Formats: sequence, structure tokens, C-alpha cells
Amino acid sequence: GQQLNQSPQSMFIQEGEDVSMNCTSSSIFNTWLWYKQDPGEGPVLLIALYKAGELTSNGRLTAQFGITRKDSFLNISASIPSDVGIYFCAGQPNTGGFKTIFGAGTRLFVKA
Amino acid sequence: NAGVMQNPRHLVRRRGQEARLRCSPMKGHSHVYWYRQLPEEGLKFMVYLQKENIIDESGMPKERFSAEFPKEGPSILRIQQVVRGDSAAYFCASSPRQGAGELFFGEGSRLTVL
Repeated sequence: GQQLNQSPQSMFIQEGEDVSMNCTSSSIFNTWLWYKQDPGEGPVLLIALYKAGELTSNGRLTAQFGITRKDSFLNISASIPSDVGIYFCAGQPNTGGFKTIFGAGTRLFVKA
Repeated sequence: NAGVMQNPRHLVRRRGQEARLRCSPMKGHSHVYWYRQLPEEGLKFMVYLQKENIIDESGMPKERFSAEFPKEGPSILRIQQVVRGDSAAYFCASSPRQGAGELFFGEGSRLTVL
């Protein structure tokens, strides 16, 4: 079935640093989404991307829908301690159906 | 504007008992998804429902698990004869239209099987 390969698995960074994480697939996706999950909570949508090549920002977050439709990245600029959490990429594959599948997540740790 | 409401937040069951997890979608949303998350792992799709219909249950185990979304009331994920391996966080999400992609999640129901 379709799989999303998300990397890195975890990141340990200093406050103020920029962060980059990405997601790839062997299948084409129609939609790419990025979520953040805090401990004990449900995922919260950060950015949604609908067109190949689309670049979208949300505050310090920037995400892009890859031209091949098989990848996406998320950048966080000037990280702060509250950026700590698990970031998931997700997408809807171009194989019909309407389910959204998730990557395994990138665990971000920010040291003040 | 209430978000997705899930209950119970925590549920403890002994092996062989039944677990019922409830989900009320956001107001105006008629599409509900259930996901399962094991510790330190991502979310695994289980089932997608619209009002009174199961659209995609390809992620649902063939036995012991069932889901419904009746015309009135919340969506229910039911696990019969629970086993220890069913221990996980179960998340419900809703969306306003089919194929929206954007899912709005509840806070999850954490099932522990003793």
C-alpha cells in the first residue's frame, strides 16, 4: 500500500535554529498536509497543500508540495521551545479513495 | 464552536471485555475518520464513515472491530473481546466534505487492556 517516509525521525536543536523535515513517497499524492501533535493531544493541522509546486507559509512555518507530487518539506524558522512536539506529514494518494495516510513523525526537541 | 469531542478520554478494560469509543464531529461536518496510534508511532487509518455509511474500512481489523455513524448521535468505534494488543490511543477526526484531506482531530481515547 501507499507509505510515507518521513525524516528525520528526531531532531535535537538549539532555540533560534531553523529546522527542516521532509516526507517522500513512491506514489503520487493529491494533497499534502503537515500536523503537529503535543503530548496527550490530538494532531493539529499546520499547513495544507493542494497543488504541485505550491509553497505556503503559516507564521514561522513554510511547507512545499513537491513538483513530482511525491514529496513535501516543512521548514520552521527561528525555533522556540513551544515548537517541541511530533510533526507528521500526511497526504491523500492519487489512487482513488478518500483516506488520509500519515508518516511516522519527526520528534522535535528544542533546547532553550 | 466546539471541536471534535471524544469520550471517554481514558478507558481501562480487562481482556475479553468490550470497549466503546464515541466521537462527535465538529458542527457541520458529516465525515468521520478513526485512527489508531501506538506509543512512539504514527497514526494508522482504520475507517472512514459518512452519516449512516461506511465508505472505507480498509484499515479495520476483520474481526472484533466495528464502526458506525448513525443518522443521529455520535460515531462509535466498538472493539469486542479486547486483547492486550488493542491498547492504544484511538483518534477520531472529522472533515466538512468528502476528500477534503484536512482533518480536524479530537483529543483521543486511550484504551488500556489489562
